[in-house]
Amino acid sequence: NAGVTQTPKFQVLKTGQSMTLQCAQDMNHNSMYWYRQDPGMGLRLIYYSASEGTTDKGEVPNGYNVSRLNKREFSLRLESAAPSQTSVYFCASSVRDILNTEAFFGQGTRLTVV
Amino acid sequence: DAKTTQPNSMESNEEEPVHLPCNHSTISGTDYIHWYRQLPSQGPEYVIHGLTSNVNNRMASLAIAEDRKSSTLILHRATLRDAAVYYCILRDAEGTYKYIFGTGTRLKVLA
Repeated sequence: NAGVTQTPKFQVLKTGQSMTLQCAQDMNHNSMYWYRQDPGMGLRLIYYSASEGTTDKGEVPNGYNVSRLNKREFSLRLESAAPSQTSVYFCASSVRDILNTEAFFGQGTRLTVV
Repeated sequence: DAKTTQPNSMESNEEEPVHLPCNHSTISGTDYIHWYRQLPSQGPEYVIHGLTSNVNNRMASLAIAEDRKSSTLILHRATLRDAAVYYCILRDAEGTYKYIFGTGTRLKVLA
């Protein structure tokens, strides 16, 4: 079982470049999330999608855009990368049903902006 | 969103029980209490969750105070593989189903 798959695993960008982080889940989950984790810190929510066709801002959305392409895929785009966006990015998914509330995380994308 | 407070770090000896505390004094009646852990260089993984009653699974037990303002994650016999950062988070079942993480507790297991 693949679970939550993130690509790429590592990326180095120059300031001002753009890129899209890809996330796909094969568990038929309705909800998907993007988090960032800075060194020594907890995870902070960037954006989330409660269901296909909807997206909402989390704690730290500035500088990012998202697309819920279909039920399986949720991408995160950096339009003009900045050094402050150097971080590890995690995608997660969960079933919306309140009786089944476990979230599954990908292995992360380590992004460095120079 | 309700907030959680956890100690920054804790230590335990291998094969001994570990009690990881979490305070959530502003919890609402609909908030589920969730615990996740993050092993080094990995994404978080689910450990356990509960609403009002104590919960047990193969990984751990969750003890919830009667007033629900605090909870404790119990690892019955710590192993070296349990060394991780443990996060206590609240999920609002009537809200937008988003998880908000705090800084967690870093558990060190001594051989």
